[in-house]
Amino acid sequence: DSGVTQTPKHLITATGQRVTLRCSPRSGDLSVYWYQQSLDQGLQFLIQYYNGEERAKGNILERFSAQQFPDLHSELNLSSLELGDSALYFCASSGLRDSLNTEAFFGQGTRLTVV
Amino acid sequence: QQPVQSPQAVILREGEDAVINCSSSKALYSVHWYRQKHGEAPVFLMILLKGGEQKGHDKISASFNEKKQQSSLYLTASQLSYSGTYFCGTEGGSARQLTFGSGTQLTVLP
Repeated sequence: DSGVTQTPKHLITATGQRVTLRCSPRSGDLSVYWYQQSLDQGLQFLIQYYNGEERAKGNILERFSAQQFPDLHSELNLSSLELGDSALYFCASSGLRDSLNTEAFFGQGTRLTVV
Repeated sequence: QQPVQSPQAVILREGEDAVINCSSSKALYSVHWYRQKHGEAPVFLMILLKGGEQKGHDKISASFNEKKQQSSLYLTASQLSYSGTYFCGTEGGSARQLTFGSGTQLTVLP
């Protein structure tokens, strides 16, 4: 158990809909990262938050948005869903802000299926 | 920019050795290695910081050549439990984010 909790584990929804994925980082970790992993593909970096502020942005679509709340949990919002958005979405957390010289702990992921 | 991993896939027999390479086109601060079993979360193996150090973890070790912006993961006397997809993650450039390669699928057969 990495200590990172993601909910829900599975999500099936229709095209055009909006969903919210939730992540609770490890106790004490201030940084949260979101990654998208399509079927048998690599991990695509979406966005990073540190202590409530956006720190880095990857190839995140405009239809996607995220935030980190004062209690440090984070939510990834996906809207106007398309079939191609079906993927495993991982959240990871680490303790440092400006350095990644430490391990990132991954949650078990949310498997999103858009039908 | 995504680091490039090679090979894409490796099939070994138990006890054989393997090397997985990771290279980047930009200067790197650090290289991370993770292993992911099918349907599971990636699990941390090790981090290498710039300075060309080599690290070891049981029979898995790695090196980081800062000048060449390359890292290699060495798996010695592979075990069945080593099977999985290995990802290198790199941190570098102006954006301090961890970017992963496309992965190397390693299969260890009995």
